[in-house]
Amino acid sequence: DAGITQSPRHKVTETGTPVTLRCHQTENHRYMYWYRQDPGHGLRLIHYSYGVKDTDKGEVSDGYSVSRSKTEDFLLTLESATSSQTSVYFCAISESLGQGRAFFGQGTRLTVV
Amino acid sequence: GESVGLHLPTLSVQEGDNSIINCAYSNSASDYFIWYKQESGKGPQFIIDIRSNMDKRQGQRVTVLLNKTVKHLSLQIAATQPGDSAVYFCAEIGRYNQGGKLIFGQGTELSVKP
Repeated sequence: DAGITQSPRHKVTETGTPVTLRCHQTENHRYMYWYRQDPGHGLRLIHYSYGVKDTDKGEVSDGYSVSRSKTEDFLLTLESATSSQTSVYFCAISESLGQGRAFFGQGTRLTVV
Repeated sequence: GESVGLHLPTLSVQEGDNSIINCAYSNSASDYFIWYKQESGKGPQFIIDIRSNMDKRQGQRVTVLLNKTVKHLSLQIAATQPGDSAVYFCAEIGRYNQGGKLIFGQGTELSVKP
């Protein structure tokens, strides 16, 4: 399995609080992604990174921000969590655009109450 | 806009039969397609990929077919086994997408009956 770790694995937080999810990789892959997965919606791209300090928005980026200050870490922040952000969040890594197969973490289950 | 979708949300097959999971995409500039398998409680796992300059690629018990004319992708699983029960997603990357944005379809749940 690719060396990719998400933390925390589970979190319950209150509406309006900030939350940061971490994705850590040991593969030195260039591309990193954050997805959310909800019933009936499959996997939807939130943000992605194509290098250190290079990030871009995905399909559902509103309410989320990301940072990538070093190759191995990609942080997803919910500045003020809402109940609609209750979901399972997956991080993925990919070596290059030409070799697009992505490896996924185990997921973080976030519940906003 | 970019979208990747699936024809059927669920598929039930008998153990030993072949399974075919379909996927339609709308971005004609899509260059690279990937099939993932997701088991309950786990992240998606890579199964097989195909580039737009190919129309068929085979792996172990799996075959991916690409029809660019109708923008259709399929995953064939031979001799389906109970361990194949999972949700299957197709995903695509557009040729002109400099950021490597990987977009997923809705997913098909495959159920294998013993």
